[in-house]
Amino acid sequence: AQTVTQSQPEMSVQEAETVTLSCTYDTSESDYYLFWYKQPPSRQMILVIRQEAYKQQNATENRFSVNFQKAAKSFSLKISDSQLGDAAMYFCAYRRQGAQKLVFGQGTRLTINP
Amino acid sequence: DAGVIQSPRHEVTEMGQEVTLRCKPISGHNSLFWYRQTMMRGLELLIYFNNNVPIDDSGMPEDRFSAKMPNASFSTLKIQPSEPRDSAVYFCASRATGWNTEAFFGQGTRLTVV
Repeated sequence: AQTVTQSQPEMSVQEAETVTLSCTYDTSESDYYLFWYKQPPSRQMILVIRQEAYKQQNATENRFSVNFQKAAKSFSLKISDSQLGDAAMYFCAYRRQGAQKLVFGQGTRLTINP
Repeated sequence: DAGVIQSPRHEVTEMGQEVTLRCKPISGHNSLFWYRQTMMRGLELLIYFNNNVPIDDSGMPEDRFSAKMPNASFSTLKIQPSEPRDSAVYFCASRATGWNTEAFFGQGTRLTVV
């Protein structure tokens, strides 16, 4: 079974600084997708960024970028120029290609210090 | 589009009572998911539908839980009878057809069983 592990229950960063959230996963599949979801206090799960495993290029969405290391099964999220609105729980998730189910990590609570 | 709409946002009920959670997926999405979020177990998939048909209900914890999707625009998750350990946030998500599409989540229903 696929598993997703986020080893950092909590992280904090100063506003305007850069922070990196870690995620590792375990799978025997070669084709899959990886995601980072943000859950602010409003509870809404918001898709931040996604990565297709077949793509070597790391995905980027404005201030958010990933470091995808397929061989190491690592998928970290980098947030640049942190803003107060970035404070939230962040979940790493995995989906096998062709499957419907998302497998989530336990989450990392990110605090932004003004 | 208004996104995935869940109701109610909060529900407090007494042990033994029946609880019904509701979800309206995004129009045109043909896959619908029910997830449960708890501190202990994180986010876990309970059941998902494809074209209104339940495909995988292996995550449904017990027979006390049931889900229906009578049409493409409505789904319910029912717990009868409810127990305190059912207290959690329940998310509904929907996804359009296609290998390269992603799930969009509702704001969740926080259920408290006392």
